[in-house]
Amino acid sequence: KQEVTQIPAALSVPEGENLVLNCSFTDSAIYNLQWFRQDPGKGLTSLLLIQSSQREQTSGRLNASLDKSSGRSTLYIAASQPGDSATYLCAVEGVGGSQGNLIFGKGTKLSVKP
Amino acid sequence: NAGVTQTPKFRVLKTGQSMTLLCAQDMNHEYMYWYRQDPGMGLRLIHYSVGEGTTAKGEVPDGYNVSRLKKQNFLLGLESAAPSQTSVYFCASSYSISSSYNEQFFGPGTRLTVL
Repeated sequence: KQEVTQIPAALSVPEGENLVLNCSFTDSAIYNLQWFRQDPGKGLTSLLLIQSSQREQTSGRLNASLDKSSGRSTLYIAASQPGDSATYLCAVEGVGGSQGNLIFGKGTKLSVKP
Repeated sequence: NAGVTQTPKFRVLKTGQSMTLLCAQDMNHEYMYWYRQDPGMGLRLIHYSVGEGTTAKGEVPDGYNVSRLKKQNFLLGLESAAPSQTSVYFCASSYSISSSYNEQFFGPGTRLTVL
């Protein structure tokens, strides 16, 4: 059964710092991996989707990498800002199981201090 | 475009009552999903639909029913609510499924409390 783990559970950094969020998954048979942002009391905003054949994706200050063989992904945030404070979730869609079923990690709660 | 919208935003039910949550998307997506989010459990798939008139069970389907009568709408029903169904419910939609291109877009959520 696919399991997704995110470390750390919470992270606090000063503004301007570069940071890395980690995501690991137990089954490398995936279609894709997606990173989301969730603000308190809000829905999920899709940040990046990495296809299984890709190694990284970039959007603005965000860069996500994927190492399928080792079951790892990282989300790199450059020059962090207070507005980046949110919970970041990663999710994988496995080849087995219900179609379209994203398996989520429990998230990393990021706080960027001014 | 509004994207994915959900109605209502909040609801309080008593045990045994019934209700329907409505999800609507204006992106002409074929696939739609209902998830629930619980503290310490993450998000889990309840039911999903691969097209108008079709639905299927996800990871935690018990106690819920769904219908997809129109492509743009996906309804989640609770026939007899239980306290264990207290949760935040999210609807999502996507253009494709089980592929490298399955980017899912989420609604703002419905916070349901069952007393």
